[in-house]
Amino acid sequence: DTAVSQTPKYLVTQMGNDKSIKCEQNLGHDTMYWYKQDSKKFLKIMFSYNNKELIINETVPNRFSPKSPDKAHLNLHINSLELGDSAVYFCASSQSETNTGELFFGEGSRLTVL
Amino acid sequence: ELKVEQNPLFLSMQEGKNYTIYCNYSTTSDRLYWYRQDPGKSLESLFVLLSNGAVKQEGRLMASLDTKARLSTLHITAAVHDLSATYFCAVGSGTSYGKLTFGQGTILTVHP
Repeated sequence: DTAVSQTPKYLVTQMGNDKSIKCEQNLGHDTMYWYKQDSKKFLKIMFSYNNKELIINETVPNRFSPKSPDKAHLNLHINSLELGDSAVYFCASSQSETNTGELFFGEGSRLTVL
Repeated sequence: ELKVEQNPLFLSMQEGKNYTIYCNYSTTSDRLYWYRQDPGKSLESLFVLLSNGAVKQEGRLMASLDTKARLSTLHITAAVHDLSATYFCAVGSGTSYGKLTFGQGTILTVHP
């Protein structure tokens, strides 16, 4: 069983479209994240939810809207896609009680905006 | 703002050789992580270092943390081809335990 799973794995779309990426974790963790990896492989946090509550919201355009229906799911919706949004988006999860901060990552969703 | 710098960014090694990847960070933290990423794949957690002087070893890899020097090292012993990957260090900040600041990554290629 995949611990952190994302769909879709690949997404090719036109500028201006709206798209969503879904993430689910079966690790029983209470905190989930979205990280963005750009073409130079640089990773940066975007959002974090703890028990469905938004706790980290980095400087991200408001075209990006995360939603967490429950603590096992975190989705990312992107409006009016731009060329610069092309990247690999990684979902991750952790358990806050352990206090280690170790993240477990999904396989990534590669978004290409044409 | 926390900055994390790795060096080298590219490392080409022969099998059987030893080498060290360095990770420097700019502000105080006692939480440092090493991840491995294979091309097109996810990030795999290698080590979690949570205190000054922490040292952890797994197979041919050994990681250490010096919080006073704000430095972590990932030492590779007797490299084998299977170690070829990109290695990232990441530093935790404040009480946001999952907010990690990543280094640029070190692309390691091990040649026969």
